[in-house]
Amino acid sequence: DGGITQSPKYLFRKEGQNVTLSCEQNLNHDAMYWYRQDPGQGLRLIYYSQIVNDFQKGDIAEGYSVSREKKESFPLTVTSAQKNPTAFYLCASRGALSGNTIYFGEGSWLTVV
Amino acid sequence: KNQVEQSPQSLIILEGKNCTLQCNYTVSPFSNLRWYKQDTGRGPVSLTIMTFSENTKSNGRYTATLDADTKQSSLHITASQLSDSASYICVVSANTGGFKTIFGAGTRLFVKA
Repeated sequence: DGGITQSPKYLFRKEGQNVTLSCEQNLNHDAMYWYRQDPGQGLRLIYYSQIVNDFQKGDIAEGYSVSREKKESFPLTVTSAQKNPTAFYLCASRGALSGNTIYFGEGSWLTVV
Repeated sequence: KNQVEQSPQSLIILEGKNCTLQCNYTVSPFSNLRWYKQDTGRGPVSLTIMTFSENTKSNGRYTATLDADTKQSSLHITASQLSDSASYICVVSANTGGFKTIFGAGTRLFVKA
């Protein structure tokens, strides 16, 4: 099946640790995105990548890092510099033939313990 | 400032009833408007997408309207079902070359038996 796969679904992080959220897509989309969702708020853009080996900061990039070494993969690392990382993280992609529709993964819950 | 505001914040209706969700935006220059349905703990799924020239678009029991002059959109749900319980997110894209996308905070709909 075509789609976006995020893993893990649930992740617990100790304070001071870095963690990496995986995002893989087989939709052949060029653009990929990472969003953060907090209760009662709209999705906020962390990082995005329009093409392999290139990515740009979004609105709330501090404390996060990404890489785009392959078209299919866009992992997000939540570093210890992110002071309030507990949230629901959504990976998304968009392709030229998708009519500007953004397709989302199933999300990853990150909790700091 | 580009903004998307949705109302009401939450809504409770009885199964079988109709409801209408509102979305007001100040995004410019306007490219398109989409409505997404997000089940709890899942990724959003696209319901409709509308461009500047479209007034109405339907997807089963979901009908979206767009008034580009007043910058308002609505999502009407007919004959609601328990499975309609979810958050409904209005998403507006600006045609700035990079397609900046702004998400509303969503309306949380609860359908009761």
